[in-house]
Amino acid sequence: DIVMTQSPDSLAVSLGERATINCKSSQSLFYSSDNKNYLAWYQQRPGQPPKLLIYWASTRESGVPDRFSGSGSGTEFTLTISSLQAEDVAVYYCHQYYSTPYTFGRGTNLEIK
Amino acid sequence: QVQLVESGGGVVQPGRSLRLSCAASGSTFSHYGMHWVRQVPGKGLEWVAAIWYDGSNKYYADSVKGRFTISRDNSKNTLYLQMNSLRAEDTAVYYCARRPETTAFDVWGQGTMVTVSS
Repeated sequence: DIVMTQSPDSLAVSLGERATINCKSSQSLFYSSDNKNYLAWYQQRPGQPPKLLIYWASTRESGVPDRFSGSGSGTEFTLTISSLQAEDVAVYYCHQYYSTPYTFGRGTNLEIK
Repeated sequence: QVQLVESGGGVVQPGRSLRLSCAASGSTFSHYGMHWVRQVPGKGLEWVAAIWYDGSNKYYADSVKGRFTISRDNSKNTLYLQMNSLRAEDTAVYYCARRPETTAFDVWGQGTMVTVSS
């Protein structure tokens, strides 16, 4: 199984500041036949289902604010929120859909400092 | 507006069975692979099972293999999860999610709570 190691577990950032969350996979998520990294990021607010933010490691889902961006390739990935807003308080998960069993990171709890 | 609505959750004794349903609306259900993901309240996400758009292939997490069965009825736009031999550790919120070929899990239901307790 592919293990997803997400860091940090929790993060406190001031409003308007940058937030960075990291995710490492135990094997490459890059599929050479289609040149894509099978890595997604989700946001989950309390009492809500996860919401897709980023897929193929760096493609922003329709309707997601452009302050959210994803980067990385292979085994190392990053989610960046360029200017934290109050509504960004949530838990963020990385997710590999390269192979079954699909796996998720343990989550990063993002709070306002 | 694409929508997924889960139902069938509840309280069940260990060793008993439960069937979850996920009703889809607003899109062509038969075009998409579908998944079940669960979450113990306050904990992380665990992928449970997947089924191809036509039901021809199914995949399971080791933790549920041999006990859970995923299925779909494209004529009814509905996804199912038959859960047998339930254990306390199966207690969780169960979400269904859609996975088109072109993206990741782009639509999720609101979830249904399953509690396994005597």
